[in-house]
Amino acid sequence: DTGVSQDPRHKITKRGQNVTFRCDPISEHNRLYWYRQTLGQGPEFLTYFQNEAQLEKSRLLSDRFSAERPKGSFSTLEIQRTEQGDSAMYLCASSSIYDFSGYTFGSGTRLTVV
Amino acid sequence: AQTVTQSQPEMSVQEAETVTLSCTYDTSESNYYLFWYKQPPSRQMILVIRQEAYKQQNATENRFSVNFQKAAKSFSLKISDSQLGDTAMYFCAFMKPLNTGTASKLTFGTGTRLQVTL
Repeated sequence: DTGVSQDPRHKITKRGQNVTFRCDPISEHNRLYWYRQTLGQGPEFLTYFQNEAQLEKSRLLSDRFSAERPKGSFSTLEIQRTEQGDSAMYLCASSSIYDFSGYTFGSGTRLTVV
Repeated sequence: AQTVTQSQPEMSVQEAETVTLSCTYDTSESNYYLFWYKQPPSRQMILVIRQEAYKQQNATENRFSVNFQKAAKSFSLKISDSQLGDTAMYFCAFMKPLNTGTASKLTFGTGTRLQVTL
């Protein structure tokens, strides 16, 4: 297992377009988390899954954002009608549910909305 | 809601010297976990060290150690014998287990940018 993979690494899109990011967690991890990190800030929690169930969503996750984890494996994060304020690094992480040793993070997807 | 505060936006240390990064947090919980993560430029975030709140002994990992003061809600990171490869953003993070006893989301501070110089 090569860790948490995120695709694409970089995405430039025009305002108003839809974008979708993918995260492949460590295979034996049943928890998957999405965070957003803007320049000079710490990561902010967006949502997380346990297997295929989405257990919590942050207020940061507006109606334009949707996340799925259809078979409890990979996850997608879609942003509809992108705005310039959506420009950020989107981080994915995974863990086991009883693992308190910290998450394994992916390298992130950097979104630039122009 | 829990909050994590890192009051040092940037710090600089010479190679081989020791540096301490500060972190304070606010919670009414008694059982929780604290973490320090390192994020090198354009690279992924990796765990440096963690502390369990119910353990009084401060965690250590090679050159990295913490000073955990539960009553003061303080969790500082000491890096000894600093190396150029320690140059990175360092984030303090807090986790409160769910009522089910399982892991939960992390709440991060705003980070401290550490520059190690020759």
